Amino acid sequence: NAGVTQTPKFQVLKTGQSMTLQCAQDMNHEYMSWYRQDPGMGLRLIHYSVGAGITDQGEVPNGYNVSRSTTEDFPLRLLSAAPSQTSVYFCASRLKADEKLFFGSGTQLSVL
Amino acid sequence: GQQVMQIPQYQHVQEGEDFTTYCNSSTTLSNIQWYKQRPGGHPVFLIQLVKSGEVKKQKRLTFQFGEAKKNSSLHITATQTTDVGTYFCAGPYGGGSNYKLTFGKGTLLTVNP
Repeated sequence: NAGVTQTPKFQVLKTGQSMTLQCAQDMNHEYMSWYRQDPGMGLRLIHYSVGAGITDQGEVPNGYNVSRSTTEDFPLRLLSAAPSQTSVYFCASRLKADEKLFFGSGTQLSVL
Repeated sequence: GQQVMQIPQYQHVQEGEDFTTYCNSSTTLSNIQWYKQRPGGHPVFLIQLVKSGEVKKQKRLTFQFGEAKKNSSLHITATQTTDVGTYFCAGPYGGGSNYKLTFGKGTLLTVNP
């Protein structure tokens, strides 16, 4: 039982490049979400999903796309990376609303 | 913007001193959760409070949920170096849906041995 697995752990991009951050969970959780963490800003919700085929925006969705084709996977796509997207990204999942969140180990992304 | 305010932003204590962080919401919450993030790590769930006035203890940690369910606190008695990290509170927001979990900005606790 691996929990929530995120890849890659580190990534450096040039402005304008695109990439996908991968997230997978093996706990059969309905709910999955992406947060970004910046110094002094706490954790801000980017996008979330309440089940396969269902996604919705969080607090800071601009510049990011998500899809949920399976229960297990919830990738986060950066369409055209910008320096403002330099951050640590966490994927998190939970069984259902009001349950505790399980976090992945994070992806540190730098956009130059 | 953030609907959960957390204070203080930073707290430095000597080992053995007590520590408290406070969380205030702009609206009534159905529940509140607390997480701890060690330096370089990921947030880890500590506890969830649901009832008005609820108090829960985990060894040296005491969690409280206010009577109006708009504020909460985490108190650590006799801090140890293992308590170092950032403590976050989080509450559900979303116009009737409890799917959006909004985090406070956190309190970074450092402990001088």
